[in-house]
Amino acid sequence: EVQLVESGGGLEQPGGSLRLSCVASGFSFSDAAMTWVRQAPGKGLEWVSLISASGVNAYYADSVKGRFTISRDYSKNTLYLQMNSLRAEDTAIYHCAKDIQLSDWGQGTLVTISS
Amino acid sequence: DIQVTQSPSSLSASVGDRVTITCRASQGIGNDLGWYQRKPGKAPKRLIHFASSLQSGVPSRFSGSGSGTEFTLTISSLQPEDFATYYCLQHKSFPLSFGGGTKVE
Repeated sequence: EVQLVESGGGLEQPGGSLRLSCVASGFSFSDAAMTWVRQAPGKGLEWVSLISASGVNAYYADSVKGRFTISRDYSKNTLYLQMNSLRAEDTAIYHCAKDIQLSDWGQGTLVTISS
Repeated sequence: DIQVTQSPSSLSASVGDRVTITCRASQGIGNDLGWYQRKPGKAPKRLIHFASSLQSGVPSRFSGSGSGTEFTLTISSLQPEDFATYYCLQHKSFPLSFGGGTKVE
């Protein structure tokens, strides 16, 4: 059974940084692209970033490009999202999901950006 | 970038009703589209992949159709557990993009 468990969310001030983690199990982590998706309060789903199975290629939404960095650690079966220069509009639940088709999702971790 | 327009944004339905939700892509995406169900406090769940393939374990009352620029999700007979928000996602090209969502209430 595929399991994805996010952590690292919390309250941060504007301009600050957070690193989200997503521990994966139940599938071959090294064979799957991985994705971050977020949902702001009262808003719809927004695709944030994807990293290829090899880790060589990464893609970002325009809203986070230059501020967020996606990465992965194969030894820990863990996906990361380093978030810098945080803004109020980054407040959301952040989900990790398996592959480009988002076949499986984690429950998410809440990020709140507020002074 | 590919824009995905989903309609309606909300609909009111009753148990047993047939429900249809539409997504239109701003350019052709073949069948690179999925449908997802989101309930409050739960992880989103994929229902349909490649426009019309039913995800394993998803009830057969859910179906998807379409290709190119127009896609449809149909619930043939709405059940109480189907009241939720539904989203489509195009994964033809980056940046990936979701439709705005349809709340079924």
